[in-house]
Amino acid sequence: DADVTQTPRNRITKTGKRIMLECSQTKGHDRMYWYRQDPGLGLQLIYYSFDVKDINKGEISDGYSVSRQAQAKFSLSLESAIPNQTALYFCATSDLWFAQGRPRNGYEQYFGPGTRLTVT
Amino acid sequence: AQKITQTQPGMFVQEKEAVTLDCTYDTSDQSYGLFWYKQPSSGEMIFLIYQGSYDEQNATEGRYSLNFQKARKSANLVISASQLGDSAMYFCAMREGDLWNYGGSQGNLIFGKGTKLSVKP
Repeated sequence: DADVTQTPRNRITKTGKRIMLECSQTKGHDRMYWYRQDPGLGLQLIYYSFDVKDINKGEISDGYSVSRQAQAKFSLSLESAIPNQTALYFCATSDLWFAQGRPRNGYEQYFGPGTRLTVT
Repeated sequence: AQKITQTQPGMFVQEKEAVTLDCTYDTSDQSYGLFWYKQPSSGEMIFLIYQGSYDEQNATEGRYSLNFQKARKSANLVISASQLGDSAMYFCAMREGDLWNYGGSQGNLIFGKGTKLSVKP
């Protein structure tokens, strides 16, 4: 089974509708992230969370909200969807591991498979 | 200001040849990390390789190596012996901040806009 799962994988919704994207992870990581990717562009950070009580805005948080229900679950909501929110949405997790007393992976992020959202 | 720059929107390489994908970055931090991710047409993001700013040797992972030139602020990805399955988008990313400092925005990745690599048979 995948370590980071996202539901739904594809969604078509109409302008003005509320929609929730869900992310679950079995990696035991504290840090979780939501990104969006527009066609031909890199990833932009929407929100990130270091633990259940710590949620922070990323560079493009307007129009979005999140909920960290548990260490393993991080949901993204679009309160009133608009067409320019049509994009590929990724959830990611990260942690830091050490070897020989030194950090070894720089908080490498593990991504879910993505959710393709279309707002008509 | 753009912190990660990938100047090659698209590249072609012949199968079995090596290819270098360029990435330059901008940071004033002494401690940072550089990453490369692959995104095939199916859409998932696949981690390829990591280089820490204090690592003395260039990172290697199988056919992938990272040509890290700190003074020039470049972190180019080298793929040796290209395969048809290497055709994908490739993203360079940077994490700023002290690895030992767990708080704040440190640990967040900043992504470049990507390079589309096409491998010709």
